[in-house]
Amino acid sequence: GESVGLHLPTLSVQEGDNSIINCAYSNSASDYFIWYKQESGKGPQFIIDIRSNMDKRQGQRVTVLLNKTVKHLSLQIAATQPGDSAVYFCAEQTGGSNYKLTFGKGTLLTVNP
Amino acid sequence: NAGVTQTPKFQVLKTGQSMTLQCAQDMNHEYMSWYRQDPGMGLRLIHYSVGAGITDQGEVPNGYNVSRSTTEDFPLRLLSAAPSQTSVYFCASRPGGETQYFGPGTRLLVL
Repeated sequence: GESVGLHLPTLSVQEGDNSIINCAYSNSASDYFIWYKQESGKGPQFIIDIRSNMDKRQGQRVTVLLNKTVKHLSLQIAATQPGDSAVYFCAEQTGGSNYKLTFGKGTLLTVNP
Repeated sequence: NAGVTQTPKFQVLKTGQSMTLQCAQDMNHEYMSWYRQDPGMGLRLIHYSVGAGITDQGEVPNGYNVSRSTTEDFPLRLLSAAPSQTSVYFCASRPGGETQYFGPGTRLLVL
């Protein structure tokens, strides 16, 4: 079956640096992608989403880039802060699947002060 | 709004015992779902519901039952718990759009 995966299981950055978390997907029919942040002991929290008709979307300190040619998704966090330390998941949804999201395994981001 | 709430937060069961994980949302969302999260496995969909009275199976439905008698509540039942069901369980809801809101989770240990 097709799945969503992450290139790097862990990422360590210095406070103030920019962080980039990558995600590869294999289902070319996927048309909606979401990034979630999960802090220890808590449920996943929505960060930002992007539809397949877009290449880039920006939020507050976060940017999601979508490259459909190589089926790659990335989350960029500007000026990373200690509070950004968490596990980050990407998820994909395929049109017609109604409600089913397929999640990647997650990347642990650690921000060093 | 309280958002998505789950009870209990922690539970220890013996093999063969039954229990119900509760999930409620006060946002009048049509869609609700249950996921389990295991180390190295990410979030996997157990069951979901697109509205009151309508449920369907997800990726890993075996050993779990659900019902949706009201818009607000979506309980998950384990009829005969097994050690393989040791996990963290998350309930989520969403309106007609795709953004899901997750509850805080229930940590379940089956001995």
